[in-house]
Amino acid sequence: AQSVTQPDIHITVSEGASLELRCNYSYGATPYLFWYVQSPGQGLQLLLKYFSGDTLVQGIKGFEAEFKRSQSSFNLRKPSVHWSDAAEYFCAVGPMFSGGYNKLIFGAGTRLAVHP
Amino acid sequence: NAGVTQTPKFRILKIGQSMTLQCTQDMNHNYMYWYRQDPGMGLKLIYYSVGAGITDKGEVPNGYNVSRSTTEDFPLRLELAAPSQTSVYFCASSYSRHWEEKLFFGSGTQLSVL
Repeated sequence: AQSVTQPDIHITVSEGASLELRCNYSYGATPYLFWYVQSPGQGLQLLLKYFSGDTLVQGIKGFEAEFKRSQSSFNLRKPSVHWSDAAEYFCAVGPMFSGGYNKLIFGAGTRLAVHP
Repeated sequence: NAGVTQTPKFRILKIGQSMTLQCTQDMNHNYMYWYRQDPGMGLKLIYYSVGAGITDKGEVPNGYNVSRSTTEDFPLRLELAAPSQTSVYFCASSYSRHWEEKLFFGSGTQLSVL
């Protein structure tokens, strides 16, 4: 079955430290890949997406993610975390080639806390 | 530019009551969606619409109804509220199909059914 796994429910990092959030997917073909961020009391905002081409994609707010086909992963990274990055992060996948209805599958999310 | 606007932000219902969650967008998007977010779970698609007059079921449609009379509005109706419908509801829209295009989300409605 198609699924998205975010192995870490909660992560705490110190401000200025590097960050990597993991995302693994199970899908029949190469999917579209997304990372969304949800700040407290807000709706989800797109950080970055991968459709094809360069497997290292840059997003907003200094985030990047790398698609690794062999590992079925799309991990999110940031070299230096800011206190304002504290939020919940969702990985999502969707079909690249399809007809009719197909759903975008979201992971359960990783809640990031940032210590000063 | 308002984007996607949801009302109300919070609501408490008694079991068996009904209510409508409102959603409107001003980006002229044809595609609109309703998701629910349960604690520790990813978002689940309830219903979606590909244009005015066209709606279809998502992953978890039971207990809900929708309509799309205009491009801008996509209300979600709960007819007989149940405790299992306690959740945070998000409305979203996109220019094209949601699995390949950026979704724009509203700020959510937190609903409790007691």
